[in-house]
Amino acid sequence: DTAVSQTPKYLVTQMGNDKSIKCEQNLGHDTMYWYKQDSKKFLKIMFSYNNKELIINETVPNRFSPKSPDKAHLNLHINSLELGDSAVYFCASSPNSGANVLTFGAGSRLTVL
Amino acid sequence: KQEVTQIPAALSVPEGENLVLNCSFTDSAIYNLQWFRQDPGKGLTSLLLIQSSQREQTSGRLNASLDKSSGRSTLYIAASQPGDSATYLCAVEGGKLIFGQGTELSVKP
Repeated sequence: DTAVSQTPKYLVTQMGNDKSIKCEQNLGHDTMYWYKQDSKKFLKIMFSYNNKELIINETVPNRFSPKSPDKAHLNLHINSLELGDSAVYFCASSPNSGANVLTFGAGSRLTVL
Repeated sequence: KQEVTQIPAALSVPEGENLVLNCSFTDSAIYNLQWFRQDPGKGLTSLLLIQSSQREQTSGRLNASLDKSSGRSTLYIAASQPGDSATYLCAVEGGKLIFGQGTELSVKP
């Protein structure tokens, strides 16, 4: 019974397309996150939501738009995909927005051609 | 701006060796430091969390230390096994989690 699940696991698409990655957690956590891991393995936070409200919004192009319909879901929509968007995107959750242990999903590998 | 550095970037050891992975951070104003493990094609698994008021945490063959004043943490792995092969990441929490680049560990049978 997966705690944090992301779909799709792999996504290959052309430049200029719009795509979405979905994330769901069944842990009852209040806070969810999106991280991006680039080809050099650096993991950087993109967004964080606490109870459906945006609390962290790093310097991310506005082509990236997170949406949290409820506290168990945090989806990431990307418009006008560019080559540099190719990366592994990780969703994570934590009990609240304080200093907590994060539970990560398995990642979604996005390849933009 | 917080920066987290991990040394070495890669490490290969024979099975059974004890080893130390290093993590340093530039801003000592942190709530905690965490060590994660990442297997190829998988997500991250939290190994140990050290609160800013603590000096170390232990879990099985793993021991993590924290010296906040010097901005350093070490992850000690005793009696390494091939199953320990993975990338180990440290991350500091100071409002948001900032990750190091990771140390890729390979334990040879």
